Amino acid sequence: QVQLKETGPGLVQPTQTLSITCTVSGFSLTSYYMQWVRQTPGKGLEWMGFIRSGGSTEYNSEFKSRLSISRDTSKNQVFLKMNSLKTEDTGVYYCARDNNWYFDFWGPGTMVTVSS
Amino acid sequence: QITLTQQAESLWVSPGEKVSITCRASQSLLYTDGKHYLSWYQQRPGQTTKALIYHASIRTDGVPTRFIGSGSGTEFTLSIEDVQPEDIALYYCLQTLKKPYTFGAGTKLELK
Repeated sequence: QVQLKETGPGLVQPTQTLSITCTVSGFSLTSYYMQWVRQTPGKGLEWMGFIRSGGSTEYNSEFKSRLSISRDTSKNQVFLKMNSLKTEDTGVYYCARDNNWYFDFWGPGTMVTVSS
Repeated sequence: QITLTQQAESLWVSPGEKVSITCRASQSLLYTDGKHYLSWYQQRPGQTTKALIYHASIRTDGVPTRFIGSGSGTEFTLSIEDVQPEDIALYYCLQTLKKPYTFGAGTKLELK
């Protein structure tokens, strides 16, 4: 069955870089777009960006050049990297599978706290 | 960007009742293919976010028939008929017509 799971650092210091891995099973990353979404106390659910089945990416301009999404299809993993973290980036980060423009499966999310 | 407004932060309901959750978009979510790019999601504590409805009115696999999506253009509704205790959750709408994709602020369904 389809499963997704995010793994993150938990605590990150301000100005540092966040790295999260989404490990998937039950489907191929070369067949589906993969989305990243976060949920913060200040802004609720926010779409961050996606990586297409072919490997190209698109990002929410809100995150400007801070955000990078990549993948390793051999390991069934998708990666999110975001630099210059601020306290407002504290929240839960989710990966989700995109099934023709709706997000049909989500991971449980990983909580990230930005604090010194 | 397209703004989605879920007017009600909270709705109180008794088991067995019907409830409607609305989502209003700042512009039409109808694409040239005739489909509306509006979906609904349920968040329950301790569970993964669940997709309920896509293209405004199509239930995803396994979603009970008491969940009904309706609407067109800029006005959309998620109705839950015969509310069950397990339906107590947060509900969000999402538009994927135009980037940046945007979510509504969410509606919390609570028991009376």
